[in-house]
Amino acid sequence: GENVEQHPSTLSVQEGDSAVIKCTYSDSASNYFPWYKQELGKRPQLIIDIRSNVGEKKDQRIAVTLNKTAKHFSLHITETQPEDSAVYFCAAGGGADGLTFGKGTHLIIQP
Amino acid sequence: GAVVSQHPSWVICKSGTSVKIECRSLDFQATTMFWYRQFPKQSLMLMATSNEGSKATYEQGVEKDKFLINHASLTLSTLTVTSAHPEDSSFYICSARDATSGGDEQYFGPGTRLTVT
Repeated sequence: GENVEQHPSTLSVQEGDSAVIKCTYSDSASNYFPWYKQELGKRPQLIIDIRSNVGEKKDQRIAVTLNKTAKHFSLHITETQPEDSAVYFCAAGGGADGLTFGKGTHLIIQP
Repeated sequence: GAVVSQHPSWVICKSGTSVKIECRSLDFQATTMFWYRQFPKQSLMLMATSNEGSKATYEQGVEKDKFLINHASLTLSTLTVTSAHPEDSSFYICSARDATSGGDEQYFGPGTRLTVT
C-alpha cells in the first residue's frame, strides 16, 4: 500500500517569512496529492491540490510542487500570517482510492 | 456546493454498546465514500472505502465485523461501531467523492467525536 512521509513534524517561523513542508510517497500509482489544513476538532480543509500531470500549482500565497520521478511533493506558504498557524497534512491517492495521509506538521507563526 | 454532513457530531456510549454514525452528501451523489479515524494529535487513517450498493473494502487491520459499513444510497453511508470499547474512542470522519464530476477531490464531513466509557 501507499506510505506517505511528512517533515518536519513541527515548524516555527517568523510572521512574514516563508514555510516549506515536504512529503514523500511510495506508490507510483498515486496521482492526486492534496494538502489540508486542520484546526483542532475540525474537519480537514483542502488548501491546494496537484495532480501527477502537473509539476507546480500556485494559489496566492500557497504553492505546491511535485516531483513525480523522485516521488516527493512540497507545500510552500509565503508571507506567513498568524492565521496560518495550524496542523497541515499532505496526502496521496486518487481516483476511487482513499487517501493516505502524512503524520502532519504543526506550523507555528511567531509574531 | 459539495457539502457533506455527519450525525451525530459527538456521542458518548458505554462499553459494549453499539453506535451508528451517518454520513450524507447533501448536494451531490457520492458513489464512493470513505471512513477515516483520527486519534488525538495523530493523523487521519483510512478505515474503509464504501461503494454504493456493494460491500465496503476495509484497510488492513480494520475489523470488518466490528466496524459495519452500509452504503445503501448515493447520498448516505453509515458506520456502526459494534461492541464499542474505550480504545475505540476517536474522531471519525467521512468523506465523499463526486465521481460524476470526474475529479479526485474528497469532501469531508465535520467528524464525529466518539467517547466510550
